[in-house]
Amino acid sequence: DGGITQSPKYLFRKEGQNVTLSCEQNLNHDAMYWYRQDPGQGLRLIYYSQIVNDFQKGDIAEGYSVSREKKESFPLTVTSAQKNPTAFYLCASSIRQGWVENIQYFGAGTRLSVL
Amino acid sequence: GDSVTQMEGPVTLSEEAFLTINCTYTATGYPSLFWYVQYPGEGLQLLLKATKADDKGSNKGFEATYRKETTSFHLEKGSVQVSDSAVYFCALIYPVQGAQKLVFGQGTRLTINP
Repeated sequence: DGGITQSPKYLFRKEGQNVTLSCEQNLNHDAMYWYRQDPGQGLRLIYYSQIVNDFQKGDIAEGYSVSREKKESFPLTVTSAQKNPTAFYLCASSIRQGWVENIQYFGAGTRLSVL
Repeated sequence: GDSVTQMEGPVTLSEEAFLTINCTYTATGYPSLFWYVQYPGEGLQLLLKATKADDKGSNKGFEATYRKETTSFHLEKGSVQVSDSAVYFCALIYPVQGAQKLVFGQGTRLTINP
């Protein structure tokens, strides 16, 4: 079955540590996205990528980094510069950008907590 | 910039009650509109969508109509079930610098009691 796989489901970060969240899709989608969700709030866009080897900052990119070396993979690194990383992180993908019905499909999420 | 405003939650209803979750938007153009649903501990799933004025999206008994004159996209269901308990997000998509961005409302938590 096609879909988006995020791992791990739960992740704990120590002070000063970088951690990487995995996102893999087998939908053959060109575009991929990372969102952050805080309790009682909507989703905020961290980074997005329209094609391989290209990505753009979203609304809250500070303290995060990404790479897009393969079409199916879009890992997110939460760096030590992100002072409040505790949140639920969601990865999404869509067929391509520039399409009016650009429906985004979501993974099951990774919950990150600080030790 | 473009934005979405949803009714404040949480919303608690009895089974078989009528549901309305209000959603209004601000946009400079004519965005596509979506309702997503998030069940506990899971990611978001697309519930329904509408791409132009007067379109009605529907799925699983839920409906929403794209009203340009009132810039609204209210979610309705005639008879809710316990399994409908979830968080519901209204969203719009708009173009920015050659790409398209999805903007979400803050979400409305719905609890249905048997």
